[in-house]
Amino acid sequence: GAGVSQSPSNKVTEKGKDVELRCDPISGHTALYWYRQSLGQGLEFLIYFQGNSAPDKSGLPSDRFSAERTGGSVSTLTIQRTQQEDSAVYLCASSPPGVADTQYFGPGTRLTVL
Amino acid sequence: GDSVTQMEGPVTLSEEAFLTINCTYTATGYPSLFWYVQYPGEGLQLLLKATKADDKGSNKGFEATYRKETTSFHLEKGSVQVSDSAVYFCALSATYNFNKFYFGSGTKLNVKP
Repeated sequence: GAGVSQSPSNKVTEKGKDVELRCDPISGHTALYWYRQSLGQGLEFLIYFQGNSAPDKSGLPSDRFSAERTGGSVSTLTIQRTQQEDSAVYLCASSPPGVADTQYFGPGTRLTVL
Repeated sequence: GDSVTQMEGPVTLSEEAFLTINCTYTATGYPSLFWYVQYPGEGLQLLLKATKADDKGSNKGFEATYRKETTSFHLEKGSVQVSDSAVYFCALSATYNFNKFYFGSGTKLNVKP
């Protein structure tokens, strides 16, 4: 079946612009995660959605970052007033019900802020 | 806070060599431990996991044992193949918030024929 998809695969933007990154999880998966992977670094947890519960936003690095998940499916990560340090690969993952510890990752969006 | 530390790469081995990639963790309580692998051009995928002390996770010839006394979860394989060339990530899920994951920085493995 189809895996987790993310779009765009690459995004180049200018400092100060807003960007939106999209994630389509695997159908039926109730949990959705966003991570950031900076060059040479591990994955940094950003935010977690589970069903209709309030999201765990504890990993968002600043108030310029926000995410929503509409209808329990597609998610959008928005970065406002981008900075050069926001340049990274943004990864999305989803998990099926009852198997929270197994995540299925998308290919990521590579964001470059000039 | 919780964290994972893994050996820096790249690691370069010849085919059929023995592989060890070290991973140690810091966490309160009893986290679950994982190894994820990212093959070239693909997304991360779960390789193996262990959910309690002394458990051994295994898959595709890879093994890792959850050692609470040394807070380690080293990845091993007895005989690597060229197709094992990838980036390997050690990770843990927090004991008191199992949906929150902490990943290491990844170790790139290059296997030469």
